[in-house]
Amino acid sequence: SQKIEQNSEALNIQEGKTATLTCNYTNYSPAYLQWYRQDPGRGPVFLLLIRENEKEKRKERLKVTFDTTLKQSLFHITASQPADSATYLCALYSGYALNFGKGTSLLVTP
Amino acid sequence: EAGVVQSPRYKIIEKKQPVAFWCNPISGHNTLYWYLQNLGQGPELLIRYENEEAVDDSQLPKDRFSAERLKGVDSTLKIQPAELGDSAVYLCASSLGIGVPNTEAFFGQGTRLTVV
Repeated sequence: SQKIEQNSEALNIQEGKTATLTCNYTNYSPAYLQWYRQDPGRGPVFLLLIRENEKEKRKERLKVTFDTTLKQSLFHITASQPADSATYLCALYSGYALNFGKGTSLLVTP
Repeated sequence: EAGVVQSPRYKIIEKKQPVAFWCNPISGHNTLYWYLQNLGQGPELLIRYENEEAVDDSQLPKDRFSAERLKGVDSTLKIQPAELGDSAVYLCASSLGIGVPNTEAFFGQGTRLTVV
């Protein structure tokens, strides 16, 4: 069966450090992979999309890598801030249906 | 432009009662999704619409859940009768459609359902 796996344990880091979140998938052959941010009581918000032929994608302090051989994506937040504290979700399409991982909770402390 | 609008934001009902959730997607978005999200979990797809046609409804518990998207715009998700295990957040999302594959999904704020 298809699976999207993200670290279930919360990630706690200090302000200014780089946060790295992992997304692993099985039984998908994605051409694209997406990352979303979700704050408590709100719906997910799209952050980045990376294509299979892109090894790396950057947007401001965010960087995403996509390794289709390892079936893994890494999501980095550099110079992290307390405002980055949220749950981050990895998402893949199966056909035309968008499926999500469980998400990883990130807490950035001052 | 307004984003995806859902109502109500919160709903508390007794078990065995019916409940309905409403979603208005972003104008021009042909694809509409309903997801269920339990605490600490990611969104789980219940049903996807392409215009007014329901596709990908294999995860929808059809004995008690139903959905409709009349005229390919607004959508309603209904549960009848509700069970205690249905307590969760119900999220609606929309995207441009299969003609523009792999585009981002825009989510509403969700409806938090509590069944007592």
